[in-house]
Amino acid sequence: GAGVSQSPSNKVTEKGKDVELRCDPISGHTALYWYRQRLGQGLEFLIYFQGNSAPDKSGLPSDRFSAERTGESVSTLTIQRTQQEDSAVYLCASSSTNEQFFGPGTRLTVL
Amino acid sequence: KQEVTQIPAALSVPEGENLVLNCSFTDSAIYNLQWFRQDPGKGLTSLLLIQSSQREQTSGRLNASLDKSSGRSTLYIAASQPGDSATYLCAVIGPSGTYKYIFGTGTRLKVLA
Repeated sequence: GAGVSQSPSNKVTEKGKDVELRCDPISGHTALYWYRQRLGQGLEFLIYFQGNSAPDKSGLPSDRFSAERTGESVSTLTIQRTQQEDSAVYLCASSSTNEQFFGPGTRLTVL
Repeated sequence: KQEVTQIPAALSVPEGENLVLNCSFTDSAIYNLQWFRQDPGKGLTSLLLIQSSQREQTSGRLNASLDKSSGRSTLYIAASQPGDSATYLCAVIGPSGTYKYIFGTGTRLKVLA
């Protein structure tokens, strides 16, 4: 089976524009996580989805960030009115038994 | 609040050496501990998962141990190779019923040919 995939792999955008990042988890994985990793920094938890339960959005840094997930499949992370400090790698992970599997990430650059 | 620390932050060794990476956590009530490697510009690759009831896991040249009572895990890499050069991260989850992983900041390993 395929692993976690993310698209696009790279995104360059201008300050103030909206961006949408996509994550396709491993089939059958009920849990899905989004993280942000700034250059040279550790992983910063953003949001967690588990099945049909309400997501844990406690890590979202501002109301410009939102995420959705359709059932137990694809998730999208949307950043509105991007700022330069949003530049980072956005990583998605899925899990079924507490073992996390990561996608390759989307590198976002805000000019 | 759980905190995860990895020491050293960076390590450079000659090829062939055996080495140990350390991970410590402040709250021993963990459910799992997972070791990852991250290559520059890439996502994380899972190396080993140790469940709370286990004391170690092995995969090839890698061996990870877990001592919950002392809040420590070690990743042992035998006969290191240049291809092992990467950043190694540990993450803990727990206690049972929780779902947030707490990550260490990693050890950046360079194996010299």
